[in-house]
Amino acid sequence: AQTVTQSQPEMSVQEAETVTLSCTYDTSESDYYLFWYKQPPSRQMILVIRQEAYKQQNATENRFSVNFQKAAKSFSLKISDSQLGDAAMYFCAYPLRDNDMRFGAGTRLTVKP
Amino acid sequence: DTGVSQNPRHKITKRGQNVTFRCDPISEHNRLYWYRQTLGQGPEFLTYFQNEAQLEKSRLLSDRFSAERPKGSFSTLEIQRTEQGDSAMYLCASSLRSGRILDTQYFGPGTRLTVL
Repeated sequence: AQTVTQSQPEMSVQEAETVTLSCTYDTSESDYYLFWYKQPPSRQMILVIRQEAYKQQNATENRFSVNFQKAAKSFSLKISDSQLGDAAMYFCAYPLRDNDMRFGAGTRLTVKP
Repeated sequence: DTGVSQNPRHKITKRGQNVTFRCDPISEHNRLYWYRQTLGQGPEFLTYFQNEAQLEKSRLLSDRFSAERPKGSFSTLEIQRTEQGDSAMYLCASSLRSGRILDTQYFGPGTRLTVL
């Protein structure tokens, strides 16, 4: 079964520091997408970053970058220069059969001032 | 802003009552998804539409749940004879699928259902 695992229920980072959130997934596909979504306390899910598996280069969006290890089926999110507004639940997601999105259980990120 | 909208944002109902939620997707998006999210968990897929056709339903979608997207625009999700276990956030998302290109799913703010 294709699954998404986030092994860190909670993480904490000091403002301006860097934090890495882990995600592993299981798939038999060779070409697929992976996503990180952020869900702030207001609870609207926001796309942070996406990675296409056939691209070797890791995706980057401003302070957010991924470390995509296809062979290891690992897709971690690095947040640099953390800001108070980064505090949220972060979900790793994998679209199953190009349709429904399969989400991990989430990592709650706290940013300390 | 023409993002995904959902109404109502909150719904409190008594067990056994029927409820209906509405989702308005981003206007050019042909795919619309419904998810359910319980506290502290990631969203779980319920069903999705491509235009007006409902193409897939999760086993989570019992026969008390029905979804429609009659004109390929907005969608409704109805829950009949609500149970306390139905209490959750119901999320709608939309995307544009063109050929084999998978576009990103954009989420609405959700409808929080509380069944007393």
